[in-house]
Amino acid sequence: DIQMTQSPSSLSASVGDRVTITCRASQSISSYLNWYQQKPGKAPKLLIYAASSLQSGVPSRFSGSGSGTDFTLTISSLQPEDFATYYCQQSYSTPQDSFGQGTKLEIK
Amino acid sequence: QLQLQESGPGLVKPSETLSLTCTVSGGSISSSSYYWGWIRQPPGKGLEWIGSIYYSGSTYYNPSLKSRVTISVDTSKNQFSLKLSSVTAADTAVYYCAINNQYYYYYYMDVWGKGTTVTVSS
Repeated sequence: DIQMTQSPSSLSASVGDRVTITCRASQSISSYLNWYQQKPGKAPKLLIYAASSLQSGVPSRFSGSGSGTDFTLTISSLQPEDFATYYCQQSYSTPQDSFGQGTKLEIK
Repeated sequence: QLQLQESGPGLVKPSETLSLTCTVSGGSISSSSYYWGWIRQPPGKGLEWIGSIYYSGSTYYNPSLKSRVTISVDTSKNQFSLKLSSVTAADTAVYYCAINNQYYYYYYMDVWGKGTTVTVSS
């Protein structure tokens, strides 16, 4: 099984801040890494696929990078609607998928 | 545009079998591009992949749940289903169905149902 570990588990930031969330895989997964945003009571929403490709309709302030075992999700300038929980997911072994434990982004 | 909707009992007794259905609209479940999956989220916790089924009927399960999970597809109804046996309180969660779409060699879950809450309690 491929284990995904996110850091930090929670993060406080202010509107306008630049924020980075990290995801590490227990083995190399090339660029098979997706990022999701989840707001309370809602289903997850795909933000980034293939480590760095922006899903259609997602604002350009979101970006992803990395390959192998280490990946980052960056929000260049936080907006009020960005406060949510973010999950990484490896698709290297799809359909045997696995998610990180999540990073909760809160307002400072 | 594909849409998914989960349905099933919101309350299941311990030791019984949880049964949920995901109805697909806006397209055919027989599409060869997708895996059709189930994911759950216990209260206040993260996402856990339960299992997936390919249009051909091939199934794939989370090893931690494999002994209790069955996923099947009904192409005539454009639905796929989840059965989880011998449930306990630990199976209380929001259950989502999702499409694992493909772009070249990359897969990602870009369509999700709204989720359905299942509580295991006597």
